[in-house]
Amino acid sequence: DAGVIQSPRHEVTEMGQEVTLRCKPISGHNSLFWYRQTMMRGLELLIYFNNNVPIDDSGMPEDRFSAKMPNASFSTLKIQPSEPRDSAVYFCASSLANRDTEAFFGQGTRLTVV
Amino acid sequence: DQQVKQNSPSLSVQEGRISILNCDYTNSMFDYFLWYKKYPAEGPTFLISISSIKDKNEDGRFTVFLNKSAKHLSLHIVPSQPGDSAVYFCAASGAGTASKLTFGTGTRLQVTL
Repeated sequence: DAGVIQSPRHEVTEMGQEVTLRCKPISGHNSLFWYRQTMMRGLELLIYFNNNVPIDDSGMPEDRFSAKMPNASFSTLKIQPSEPRDSAVYFCASSLANRDTEAFFGQGTRLTVV
Repeated sequence: DQQVKQNSPSLSVQEGRISILNCDYTNSMFDYFLWYKKYPAEGPTFLISISSIKDKNEDGRFTVFLNKSAKHLSLHIVPSQPGDSAVYFCAASGAGTASKLTFGTGTRLQVTL
């Protein structure tokens, strides 16, 4: 298996533009997570899905952030409009929705908003 | 509110010695704990885990200890190797949250020659 695949690896955009990050989870995994890594807060959970349904989006910072999972093999995280403070590394992870199991992470998307 | 805390942002250890990374948590509902390792420009990778029914789990050079009464866990690496240099994240999950993981802020370990 290729693991969790994220695209793009790097994104540089201007403030005010829309940004879309993409994720393909590991086949057969039914939980999907979006995390954001910053120096101050470490890995913050933004939102997670079980069986394509959003379960907890309490970590989504503002209405500018939205996430979708239209099917079991694809998810997007959208920021509109983007702001410089959104600059961070965004990780997607997937796992089996069982207790006591680890999540597998993609390589991340480094977002820079100028 | 940081429910999982790693109070040491960095640690430097000599090759061959023991590395001890610490983690504290505040949520008493957490009952499963994991350590992840992260190299630059890569995603975190799973290292070792422990369930709250145990107080120790060992895998090769890596051992995780859990002290539930103190809400504290630690990762021991013996002997430390230069390839262990990375950022280590502590994570926890709890009843009712399925596989949702809450992470700490990470500790950067540098193993020197």
